[in-house]
Amino acid sequence: QSVLTQPPSVSGAPGQRVTISCTGSNSNIGAGYVVHWYQQLPGTAPKLLIYGNINRPSGVPDRFSGSKSGTSASLAITGLQAEDEADYYCQSYDSSLSGSVFGGGTKLTVL
Amino acid sequence: QVQLVESGGGLVKPGGSLKLSCAASGFTFSDYYMSWIRQAPGKGLEWVSYISGYGSSIYYADSVKGRFTISRDNAKNLLYLQMNSLRVEDTAVYYCAREVPGAINWFDPWGQGTLVTVSS
Repeated sequence: QSVLTQPPSVSGAPGQRVTISCTGSNSNIGAGYVVHWYQQLPGTAPKLLIYGNINRPSGVPDRFSGSKSGTSASLAITGLQAEDEADYYCQSYDSSLSGSVFGGGTKLTVL
Repeated sequence: QVQLVESGGGLVKPGGSLKLSCAASGFTFSDYYMSWIRQAPGKGLEWVSYISGYGSSIYYADSVKGRFTISRDNAKNLLYLQMNSLRVEDTAVYYCAREVPGAINWFDPWGQGTLVTVSS
């Protein structure tokens, strides 16, 4: 059971918008710690998608955006494309565990 | 370009040992914290351990504390993970990742991973 909770799966049609939530507690996201997001394409290593809640590394399309409020964070993907089909993970820090924590991951299916 | 390449994975019996390596290139290795992160088959990501640039700060997840040892050789740009007393539940792909400093460090890039299978 992951410290950060994500929905196991989300889906959307090409061109649509989907959001993936990441819910924590007062010892991690709610304590003000920032959230990062990773994309893991099938059979590959995770790749940084969003850092510091809202920032996109160079090369990441602006279709991907992040936000954070209270004890939760969200990843939004607009203009869904077939190549977005992947697993998505959120990451933050937990003060009670004194280490990085990940969400359980969300599988995005493009219908 | 920045690159990380893991090696050393394989099949080991419960109670056995294995040492993973991660070769870094394309950046000043000693400037960065490094981490090991694992992913059990079909499961999510689990942070395992980190080490600071010169090894003065080391931390482990409770699940591996006392069994795994992280180390680094900055002269050779190598990161290691010595895994002892391995359990079936340690079966996973092990990734090394560079920690980029921030309010909370993020992991970028990741290596391609090396598979560790613990089975009798």
